[in-house]
Amino acid sequence: AQRVTQPEKLLSVFKGAPVELKCNYSYSGSPELFWYVQYSRQRLQLLLRHISRESIKGFTADLNKGETSFHLKKPFAQEEDSAMYYCALRYGGSQGNLIFGKGTKLSVKP
Amino acid sequence: NAGVMQNPRHLVRRRGQEARLRCSPMKGHSHVYWYRQLPEEGLKFMVYLQKENIIDESGMPKERFSAEFPKEGPSILRIQQVVRGDSAAYFCASSPGQAGSGNEKLFFGSGTQLSVL
Repeated sequence: AQRVTQPEKLLSVFKGAPVELKCNYSYSGSPELFWYVQYSRQRLQLLLRHISRESIKGFTADLNKGETSFHLKKPFAQEEDSAMYYCALRYGGSQGNLIFGKGTKLSVKP
Repeated sequence: NAGVMQNPRHLVRRRGQEARLRCSPMKGHSHVYWYRQLPEEGLKFMVYLQKENIIDESGMPKERFSAEFPKEGPSILRIQQVVRGDSAAYFCASSPGQAGSGNEKLFFGSGTQLSVL
């Protein structure tokens, strides 16, 4: 069965430090992966998706099929990056068929 | 554009009562999705609807849960005879188009927190 695992519930780093939020998935088909972010008191919103191969707000994520991972990285964290981050997998069926991980709370300290 | 609107933000029901959750998609969006987030869990897909049609309900529990998206008005997620295990945050999302159309980005509402006493 398809599954998304975010092993870290909380990740705390200092401003300017590199950050990596881990995401591993389990899916027998061809995966489509996303990172969603929820800032304090705001709605869940799309951060980036692997098919776009884009960098948003300095964040990048590379799909590694061999390791079944889609880790989110940023070389220099900023305080405004503090938020909940959710990794999501779209599997078969309709476009809304997303499975989300449990989320990682990123806290960037000054 | 006010974004995806969900109401109520908080809903308290006693066991056995009915819960109705409403979702108004963004203007111009005809695709609606419902997700449930249990405590300490990730969001899980429940159902995908277009106007007047259920496209994919593979994530819906077989009993007590139903969803509709009428021609006029918001989408409704209805839970009959609620039980304590239904307590969760229910999120709605909308999009203007289908997967692969280039118009598939999901926009989420703020969610409805259902508490069953």
